[in-house]
Amino acid sequence: EAGVTQFPSHSVIEKGQTVTLRCDPISGHDNLYWYRRVMGKEIKFLLHFVKESKQDESGMPNNRFLAERTGGTYSTLKVQPAELEDSGVYFCASSQAGLEWTQYFGPGTRLLVL
Amino acid sequence: SQQGEEDPQALSIQEGENATMNCSYKTSINNLQWYRQNSGRGLVHLILIRSNEREKHSGRLRVTLDTSKKSSSLLITASRAADTASYFCATAVAGGTSYGKLTFGQGTILTVHP
Repeated sequence: EAGVTQFPSHSVIEKGQTVTLRCDPISGHDNLYWYRRVMGKEIKFLLHFVKESKQDESGMPNNRFLAERTGGTYSTLKVQPAELEDSGVYFCASSQAGLEWTQYFGPGTRLLVL
Repeated sequence: SQQGEEDPQALSIQEGENATMNCSYKTSINNLQWYRQNSGRGLVHLILIRSNEREKHSGRLRVTLDTSKKSSSLLITASRAADTASYFCATAVAGGTSYGKLTFGQGTILTVHP
């Protein structure tokens, strides 16, 4: 069984540009989460999808971040326009319905905004 | 201070020794989990302990939970060089609107010398 995959693995962009991160959860997992770790800080929750619906987006830092999960399969997280403080590692995780607490994480996307 | 704080921040030991990491948290929890992250890789789920459990074992891992002190410990016995990684505790808060939102600490960096 394939694990959670994320693309790209690394992204270097300039301030003001747009970046789109993609996450493919484990097949059949209804729950999909985005987390991020900015330099020197703890891993923080961004949002939670149940299928295509946003269950909780309380961790989204501001309206420059837009997450989608059309069709309830893969998800994208777009940052537009990117700022320096958005640099960090963005993790995606997925879990089965009814087993929300057992989350499987992807390898992360390392974003550097210059 | 943060929900889910680990100590020590860094731990350096020799192969064969035991490694103990601690985690403290602030609010009532549904469960507490420990994750490992090898350099440049994703988070790997190690073990989950529910709020009504006091101790749990998985191979060389032993986790304890003291809800009265709001603390947990992760013990890795007979450590190996391959155990070198960052270890994070993550708490799942009881109640709330998001079922699956994890709150992470900053992690303990464990180095096991051959």
